[in-house]
Amino acid sequence: SQQGEEDPQALSIQEGENATMNCSYKTSINNLQWYRQNSGRGLVHLILIRSNEREKHSGRLRVTLDTSKKSSSLLITASRAADTASYFCADTGGGNKLTFGTGTQLKVEL
Amino acid sequence: DAGITQSPRHKVTETGTPVTLRCHQTENHRYMYWYRQDPGHGLRLIHYSYGVKDTDKGEVSDGYSVSRSKTEDFLLTLESATSSQTSVYFCATRLGDYGYTFGSGTRLTVV
Repeated sequence: SQQGEEDPQALSIQEGENATMNCSYKTSINNLQWYRQNSGRGLVHLILIRSNEREKHSGRLRVTLDTSKKSSSLLITASRAADTASYFCADTGGGNKLTFGTGTQLKVEL
Repeated sequence: DAGITQSPRHKVTETGTPVTLRCHQTENHRYMYWYRQDPGHGLRLIHYSYGVKDTDKGEVSDGYSVSRSKTEDFLLTLESATSSQTSVYFCATRLGDYGYTFGSGTRLTVV
């Protein structure tokens, strides 16, 4: 099965800056989801964007979806130290199996 | 997450021994999943269940079996543990087309 590819693999920014991470798949995207994982913890669902949507907002999160390019991006605005975590995209491809991207490690420094 | 409990949280076992990990949910979700997480590979699906006694394989199912005799419990068994199965194992549930809910993980070390 396909695995999403994310870039960058690691990102280090200063508090208050925006963080952007990208995700791409080789096959069609259905319900693209983003998750956050703090060190040593389970994944937490952040936001879901459907294939008929182009942009979605949730608090400081903005997600875009380009189905023609099979890609999505996650923007975190005005980042905080508490945003330090790994971020994963994931998609079902229309089935019952959620396939994850390789993840972006975000570090927000004070 | 309060709705999913994984046990044990940590386990060290010897090569060749059988190991069972347990996932318990209180949300009455139909779908349950077992993933493993390894550096450089992200999360990979081992097995999943779409109902009591209904299970299917994921992308890395070799060496693993699962059982689901009740809606709330999904068991993952390593029949004969190997060092390559040292990993962090996550259970997840899903309700409809919404996001998945993950447990806190089980860190398994096979020595």
